[in-house]
Amino acid sequence: GESVGLHLPTLSVQEGDNSIINCAYSNSASDYFIWYKQESGKGPQFIIDIRSNMDKRQGQRVTVLLNKTVKHLSLQIAATQPGDSAVYFCAEKREYNNNDMRFGAGTRLTVKP
Amino acid sequence: SQTIHQWPATLVQPVGSPLSLECTVEGTSNPNLYWYRQAAGRGLQLLFYSVGIGQISSEVPQNLSASRPQDRQFILSSKKLLLSDSGFYLCAWSVSTGKFSRFNSPLHFGNGTRLTVT
Repeated sequence: GESVGLHLPTLSVQEGDNSIINCAYSNSASDYFIWYKQESGKGPQFIIDIRSNMDKRQGQRVTVLLNKTVKHLSLQIAATQPGDSAVYFCAEKREYNNNDMRFGAGTRLTVKP
Repeated sequence: SQTIHQWPATLVQPVGSPLSLECTVEGTSNPNLYWYRQAAGRGLQLLFYSVGIGQISSEVPQNLSASRPQDRQFILSSKKLLLSDSGFYLCAWSVSTGKFSRFNSPLHFGNGTRLTVT
């Protein structure tokens, strides 16, 4: 499954499929980006980060892609599992201001068995 | 390893009552500390951050205040709660990097406090 455009509130995918969650950021001066996963009733959990001097970074089953030209960030989850069901949101940090991190509203990922 | 604790997990308070939410971090020294509020279906709003004991920066004018009496302790308070203070409050820490440092550190969050003001 794939979400397009700015934040879609929900994304539903079949277990085992790949998921793509998109995020558009606002400030071309942002130099550091993070993806978080938030399960119901819990705090956000760090998934993966990427600096603006990179365009791709891979973790365990997750890949983050950064397109600075169009100010777009995506999170790809391979072989999505039921435990991946959560709200995912991106965060951007403004260059030279480590205390200014801005968060998106999030996308709710639902994994169907 | 570093851990962050927030309490209580849930809280129901009447309008006009005081508030004190506490957050402590273990396993690190001199962290940056943050209080965020998360409204349903919305992103996180930064309320306060602290780069050291007694150093508090406020991001939005509001009915709340924060204090950092010890290196790894961060407290969110109010003298008189309003209905609009209801929400999910999150404490977070990051490695202290200096505001203009090129070193980047993600924020690590606690499990939050669900506050309902009635």
